[in-house]
Amino acid sequence: GAVVSQHPSRVICKSGTSVKIECRSLDFQATTMFWYRQFPKQSLMLMATSNEGSKATYEQGVEKDKFLINHASLTLSTLTVTSAHPEDSSFYICSARPGSKGDQPQHFGDGTRLSIL
Amino acid sequence: ILNVEQSPQSLHVQEGDSTNFTCSFPSSNFYALHWYRWETAKSPEALFVMTLNGDEKKKGRISATLNTKEGYSYLYIKGSQPEDSATYLCAFPNFGNEKLTFGTGTRLTIIP
Repeated sequence: GAVVSQHPSRVICKSGTSVKIECRSLDFQATTMFWYRQFPKQSLMLMATSNEGSKATYEQGVEKDKFLINHASLTLSTLTVTSAHPEDSSFYICSARPGSKGDQPQHFGDGTRLSIL
Repeated sequence: ILNVEQSPQSLHVQEGDSTNFTCSFPSSNFYALHWYRWETAKSPEALFVMTLNGDEKKKGRISATLNTKEGYSYLYIKGSQPEDSATYLCAFPNFGNEKLTFGTGTRLTIIP
């Protein structure tokens, strides 16, 4: 149980392109999903918390107009990197959790490797 | 900003040997401590969520202990196998709510 599907797994595109990444909880409902970014040799850095039916909460330093998050249903959150540039190249990974408390584990997707040429 | 530290950063262990590594976290306002295993080309997998001081949890050959007063947790692997090779991450919820702050991980390589 507790499977999270994320796709695409890899994207290579030209600078200026907008890229949408989907995160789905397959066998549970997730009122909250999280989007992380990982830089080389660093840990997972939380970008934003996605709440179903409301606006996402962005971490300090993350541009909300650059990284658009939509959590339209209890099983789907999307991250759109708008007008992507080479500096946006990174590994992005989502997670979801059935409940709302910090003593429950998060379930992760496989991640998306984004490369902007 | 919470400081969650893991050591060592990387570790090579001979197959069959036992090993352990550490996660340190703020001891004040403790709520929970998470451990995840992240194998290459897979998604991070939740191992344990620990909440009580002195707690010990076990999953097969892997176990974890928790000391909330001094702010550390140990992860132990007994009789290491090649499939244990992975990055092990600990994470600490911010103020008991949703967000997790992750450590940088311990990259474990089991040598056959």
